Formats: sequence, structure tokens, C-alpha cells
Amino acid sequence: DSGVTQTPKHLITATGQRVTLRCSPRSGDLSVYWYQQSLDQGLQFLIHYYNGEERAKGNILERFSAQQFPDLHSELNLSSLELGDSALYFCASSGGGTHTEAFFGQGTRLTVV
Amino acid sequence: AQKITQTQPGMFVQEKEAVTLDCTYDTSDPSYGLFWYKQPSSGEMIFLIYQGSYDQQNATEGRYSLNFQKARKSANLVISASQLGDSAMYFCAMRPTQGGSEKLVFGKGTKLTVNP
Repeated sequence: DSGVTQTPKHLITATGQRVTLRCSPRSGDLSVYWYQQSLDQGLQFLIHYYNGEERAKGNILERFSAQQFPDLHSELNLSSLELGDSALYFCASSGGGTHTEAFFGQGTRLTVV
Repeated sequence: AQKITQTQPGMFVQEKEAVTLDCTYDTSDPSYGLFWYKQPSSGEMIFLIYQGSYDQQNATEGRYSLNFQKARKSANLVISASQLGDSAMYFCAMRPTQGGSEKLVFGKGTKLTVNP
């Protein structure tokens, strides 16, 4: 058990809908990262939050947004969903800094039908 | 730009033998971290081992060791005494310090199959 909790584990929704993925980082970790894993794109970095502030954005679509709350949990909001958004979405947490490990949650498998 | 290259899409190994999974990286950053993760068919990403760019010794964690050759920019994962449960995808990742973000940059992965 990595200590990072993601909910839900599976999500099936229709095109055009909006969903929220939730992540609770390991106790004490201030950094939360979101990644998307699809067969054709591999593991793509979406966004990084540190202690409530956005630190970096990667290949995140404008239809997607995220935030980190004062209790350090994070949510990834995906709207106007398309079939191509079907993927495994991971949250990872770390204590911060280049030389600290990042631990991943079990992922949320999103299927858009 | 930072890049991780894993040239072996698939590898096969006999149970109880050792196997080396290749990873090369490209960065101009003087300070960075290198990581290996395992992803079994169930989908979760499991942290295996970490190597810092300034570490003099190669990292080891149980049956996992990282063969770090800084001049060659390689960070190969060695799994000793392979077990059937080692069958999985393995991802090499780098965390550079350029750009102010600590994001992990991943390679495309190597699928390891351990045969009985």
C-alpha cells in the first residue's frame, strides 16, 4: 500500500459529461501530481500542486482542471468528456524536491462511452 | 528537453535468473533523480528504486539494483533471482530540476515476462 488513495477506482460515463477524480496524498506529502496513462500516449504529466499552489502544467487540456485543498487532497475535474479521454488517471504524492520518491495511487480507470 | 528511452519493448527471463532492463536518459540538468516503477497487470504503479545523480554508490533494494553510469547517462534496472510475480511493465523515470517543477518524466516501458 503506497499510502496514496484515489477514488473512484473505476468510472464509466457518457460523452459530454463531467467527472471528478479524487486523490488523498500520503500523510505529510505536500506535492500532488496527476498523470494520464493511455495506450498510445504512455504516461503523460498533467499538473503538479505543492501545498495548495499550482507548480507546473503539462499536457493538460483546457477541459481539465485540478485543485489542491487546504487538507492537501486534490481533485481532477474532467469536463465535456470525449471518447479519447478514456484512460487510467494516476495521482502521485511526494514530500517535495528532486530527490524524494513519488508514490502513486492505484489509479482511476475512466471509460467514456 | 528531458527524455527517457527504454529500448526494450519486451523481455523474457527464466525464473530464478537475473535480468537487466535498459534505460537511458537525456538531460542537461546537473541534479536529477532516477526512478524505476513496476506496473503489474492490475494497473497500480509500484515504486521500486531511486538513484540520485550525485550518489556515488549504485542503489539497491532487495532483489533490485540500479546500475547507474552517469557518463553514459544510463540507469539500468537489474532484477536478481526473477520470480513469476515479477512479470509486469517496468518504467524508468527521471525527475529533473529544470523548469522549477519536480514532475517525473517517464519512458515508454518494458514488458517483462518471467517464464517458469
